[in-house]
Amino acid sequence: DQQVKQNSPSLSVQEGRISILNCDYTNSMFDYFLWYKKYPAEGPTFLISISSIKDKNEDGRFTVFLNKSAKHLSLHIVPSQPGDSAVYFCAASVTGTYKYIFGTGTRLKVLA
Amino acid sequence: NAGVMQNPRHLVRRRGQEARLRCSPMKGHSHVYWYRQLPEEGLKFMVYLQKENIIDESGMPKERFSAEFPKEGPSILRIQQVVRGDSAAYFCASSPMSGGASREQYFGPGTRLTVT
Repeated sequence: DQQVKQNSPSLSVQEGRISILNCDYTNSMFDYFLWYKKYPAEGPTFLISISSIKDKNEDGRFTVFLNKSAKHLSLHIVPSQPGDSAVYFCAASVTGTYKYIFGTGTRLKVLA
Repeated sequence: NAGVMQNPRHLVRRRGQEARLRCSPMKGHSHVYWYRQLPEEGLKFMVYLQKENIIDESGMPKERFSAEFPKEGPSILRIQQVVRGDSAAYFCASSPMSGGASREQYFGPGTRLTVT
């Protein structure tokens, strides 16, 4: 039972345009949602997070939106740059723990 | 200021041998987590440790796998009698005692275990 789902395995976007990565979850017992970026042969790198009591968090080119009623979150990258090409994982933190549940990842390719 | 360190980066073991994976958390971090990533899958939580304590091992297979985080030295993930299905990337992460305001964990580069 996949509690955190990233239904798009890959996404290609032109440089300078917006990248939108999506994530759905099924468990209401998550209190934080996080996005990580991963390059090949490296560990995931933290990008941005959002508390379940908020609906938006912004950090530079990265914005995360949380729609609790739809159990959906998205990561917007504007403008997209070739260096953003990587695999993006969404993760959810189980309330009262530091355990993350990860999605399967979306491979973003930003075309120059 | 070194990040999370893992060694070895690559480990090859024959079926039935033991694998030992090491993780040194970031300086000042007292919480360590181990994750496993199978090909084409996301990271799966295995275990959460603090110094000398296992806090949550709900993701650990019941047999052959064990983890420790001693008072001195790195955290060790130990896999006994490895099988081909253990082949994966194993990632360690650490966080400060408070967990951080945004709950982020800092990941090491991973150990790629190959069982032949």
